Amino acid sequence: AQSVSQHNHHVILSEAASLELGCNYSYGGTVNLFWYVQYPGQHLQLLLKYFSGDPLVKGIKGFEAEFIKSKFSFNLRKPSVQWSDTAEYFCAVNPLRGSTLGRLYFGRGTQLTVWP
Amino acid sequence: GAGVSQSPSNKVTEKGKDVELRCDPISGHTALYWYRQSLGQGLEFLIYFQGNSAPDKSGLPSDRFSAERTGGSVSTLTIQRTQQEDSAVYLCASSPQGLARETQYFGPGTRLLVL
Repeated sequence: AQSVSQHNHHVILSEAASLELGCNYSYGGTVNLFWYVQYPGQHLQLLLKYFSGDPLVKGIKGFEAEFIKSKFSFNLRKPSVQWSDTAEYFCAVNPLRGSTLGRLYFGRGTQLTVWP
Repeated sequence: GAGVSQSPSNKVTEKGKDVELRCDPISGHTALYWYRQSLGQGLEFLIYFQGNSAPDKSGLPSDRFSAERTGGSVSTLTIQRTQQEDSAVYLCASSPQGLARETQYFGPGTRLLVL
C-alpha cells in the first residue's frame, strides 16, 4: 500500500546537536510535501512545504528540508536544536491525484525531545 | 476567532452511544478536512469538503461515521453506535480554497474516549 514513512519514532538530543528526521513516501508522480509540527499543548502547524523549484526549502525557526525525488525522500534538518524544539513532527504528502486533491497523507510522527 | 475551533475539547461516552463533534473553520475558508489520530498512529484522513462540491468521503472507516457541513461553514462529524476503537483525537482543518499547495490550518482537536 502507498504510504508515508517516518523511520524515527522518538529522537532524543541535547541542545546544539544537529537534527535530521527521515521521511520517505511511496507515491509516484508529482507530489507536494509538508512538515507539520505540534508543540506541547498547541495545535498542529505548518513548519515548511515543497511543491516545486529549489528542492531545498527553508521553514520557520531555522528548519529546512530537502526533497530528493530519486529517493522519494523529504528529510527535515536543523543544524542546532534548542530546548524549545521539543515537539512532535509529522511529514505529510499530497500526491496530486485529481480525486484526492487537497487530501494529505501523514506519517506516524516523530517525537523530538531536546534536553537543555 | 482567528483560528479553527472545535468542540467539545474532550468527550467521554459509553460504547453504543452516538456522538457529535463540531468544527468551526477559519472564516472564508472553503475547504474543510477531518482527520483522526489514534494512539501511536499518524493522522488518518476521514473526509474533505470543498465549497459546494460533493464531499470526498473515501476515508470514513465505516458507515457509522458521517459528516455534514452546513452553509459552507460549520461542520459536524457524527459517530453512531460508538466502539472502543473509535477512541482517538479527531482533528479538523481548513484551507482557503482546497488547493493542493495550500497550508491546512488545524484546530485543537476533540479527544474522544469510548468506554
